[in-house]
Amino acid sequence: EAQVTQNPRYLITVTGKKLTVTCSQNMNHEYMSWYRQDPGLGLRQIYYSMNVEVTDKGDVPEGYKVSRKEKRNFPLILESPSPNQTSLYFCASAYQGTGQPQHFGDGTRLSIL
Amino acid sequence: AQKITQTQPGMFVQEKEAVTLDCTYDTSDPSYGLFWYKQPSSGEMIFLIYQGSYDQQNATEGRYSLNFQKARKSANLVISASQLGDSAMYFCAMRDPNFGNEKLTFGTGTRLTIIP
Repeated sequence: EAQVTQNPRYLITVTGKKLTVTCSQNMNHEYMSWYRQDPGLGLRQIYYSMNVEVTDKGDVPEGYKVSRKEKRNFPLILESPSPNQTSLYFCASAYQGTGQPQHFGDGTRLSIL
Repeated sequence: AQKITQTQPGMFVQEKEAVTLDCTYDTSDPSYGLFWYKQPSSGEMIFLIYQGSYDQQNATEGRYSLNFQKARKSANLVISASQLGDSAMYFCAMRDPNFGNEKLTFGTGTRLTIIP
């Protein structure tokens, strides 16, 4: 089954404790991205990657890191999480090309205390 | 800069009626693409429909159609014969022509509730 898999789905942690949210896709998509969703703000892009070893900042990259060492994986790293990073996070992937929809994972709800 | 505006935070519609969800956009580029996504209460994001700026006809996918009015910069989603399962959050998004599909700008969404 074609899918984007995020882990964990839920996480409650404390300020300053490094965490990683994993994302994996099995569709051989070139493009992957991370978004955060906050009430009243829609989805905002954090980082994206156009291919292996190619990453770039989205609209809200502060406090986050990413890496793309393999085509299928695109982990999101919070080195020193803070309460303002409490949010719902989505990973997405897509083929390159006009009109190709982004396929989303099921989301990761992070609570930083 | 790209901007997507969804002016209806919430809508209540009777089952079986048609629904129109509004989306206006702002861009100076002639080449762009518009997407609609559905987010049920379970949280996942489901792709519904796509419209390219050069497409001659309005996009349709089953009960979903896109009322694309280029001069007005609007791309409203129309759901025909609404069902209880259509209750969800709906997001309009625009592809940034400078980045292709790598960068989507989302609106703030419309929460649709279908009343039995």
